[in-house]
Amino acid sequence: QSVLTQPPSVSGAPGQRVTISCTGSSSNIGAGYDVHWYQHLPGTAPKLLIFANNYRPSGVPDRFSGSKSGTSASLAITGLQAEDEADYYCQSYDSSLSASVVFGGGTKLTVL
Amino acid sequence: QVQLQESGPGLVKPSETLSLTCTVSGGSISRYYWSWIRQPPGKGLEYIGYIYYSGSTNFNPSLKSRVTISIDTPKKQFSLKLNSVTAADTAVYYCARGDSNPFDAFAIWGQGTGVTVSS
Repeated sequence: QSVLTQPPSVSGAPGQRVTISCTGSSSNIGAGYDVHWYQHLPGTAPKLLIFANNYRPSGVPDRFSGSKSGTSASLAITGLQAEDEADYYCQSYDSSLSASVVFGGGTKLTVL
Repeated sequence: QVQLQESGPGLVKPSETLSLTCTVSGGSISRYYWSWIRQPPGKGLEYIGYIYYSGSTNFNPSLKSRVTISIDTPKKQFSLKLNSVTAADTAVYYCARGDSNPFDAFAIWGQGTGVTVSS
């Protein structure tokens, strides 16, 4: 059971918009810690997609955007492309008794 | 640009100690947080722990009793030791670099190295 909750899977047709949610609590996202998003393709290293809630590293298309509100965050992908099919993970920091970096359980995006 | 490379045995026997090293090239090892993250087969990413260049550490509470992370700044390497391993520790292990805060994103990752725990 991950500290950050993501839907196991989402899907969309090419060109559509999809969102992936990441739900936390008052000890992580709700405490003001940043949320980061990664794209993970099989056999490769995870790639940073969004950092500090809504910033894109250089080279990441503006089709990817992030937002955060309260104890949740979201990753939005517009103009869906076949190459976007991957696993997506959110990450934050949890300040509970055993403070630690935490990941969401991951969401498999299928492009129909 | 900065690159990370994991190295270590791909097969470890149950109850023994898993040892991996991450070598940093193309940049400094100072001023950053250096982490280990793993992905068991069919599962998601799991944070193992980090070490700051000064030597301070933080670990996943679920692994804390079995994990040691150390750093060798002259060699530009940091290492992971996980003792008393079981089949549940079979995973792809990644090293990654954070930034100047422990809650920063992991912008740079190694390619990952697979470790199987089996007799």
